[in-house]
Amino acid sequence: ETGVTQTPRHLVMGMTNKKSLKCEQHLGHNAMYWYKQSAKKPLELMFVYSLEERVENNSVPSRFSPECPNSSHLFLHLHTLQPEDSALYLCASSQGGYGNIQYFGAGTRLSVL
Amino acid sequence: EDQVTQSPEALRLQEGESSSLNCSYTVSGLRGLFWYRQDPGKGPEFLFTLYSAGEEKEKERLKATLTKKESFLHITAPKPEDSATYLCAVRGGGGSNYKLTFGKGTLLTVNP
Repeated sequence: ETGVTQTPRHLVMGMTNKKSLKCEQHLGHNAMYWYKQSAKKPLELMFVYSLEERVENNSVPSRFSPECPNSSHLFLHLHTLQPEDSALYLCASSQGGYGNIQYFGAGTRLSVL
Repeated sequence: EDQVTQSPEALRLQEGESSSLNCSYTVSGLRGLFWYRQDPGKGPEFLFTLYSAGEEKEKERLKATLTKKESFLHITAPKPEDSATYLCAVRGGGGSNYKLTFGKGTLLTVNP
């Protein structure tokens, strides 16, 4: 496996379900990110972890809960989502932050019914 | 607050018809301007990073240039496989060391 891998690729859930998105990076990077991509809108940064510590949380509702158990893995736990949360959720990683390139996974397409 | 505006929103070209995509930005202390390519159903794929005005980078049919206010992605003699959404992003000097501010992208379609 190389690069950034996200699972599942597609997820359909009801508003009362609990699910988790998984991201794994094989690049030896020390920072990981969650982004939300909605139609007709720019990518929105949700969370940043550096060396397994959360360093940014961009006013994301508490129904989204990130977890970073080590520098290679990142999770996004989802509960009681709303239909407007339907989007493509992208994970990325980088070596540090300053000026460094973020590499993205293929994303999880989430549909909330 | 950092801002990125990309134009046009969509561009349709014939194979071999060269053109340019524009990325205008406002940022406090540019720490990098990034171009990505995104295919349908996939994550963004890194293309270029530019750090200072006057810098240029090339890859196959693509060439990225940077001024103090905007960046251009020039596409020379495009092929149908160049069809994708092209995203521009900036990292500014204020506040976050990690945050990239993205534009909405330009959807490029190259017809054979």
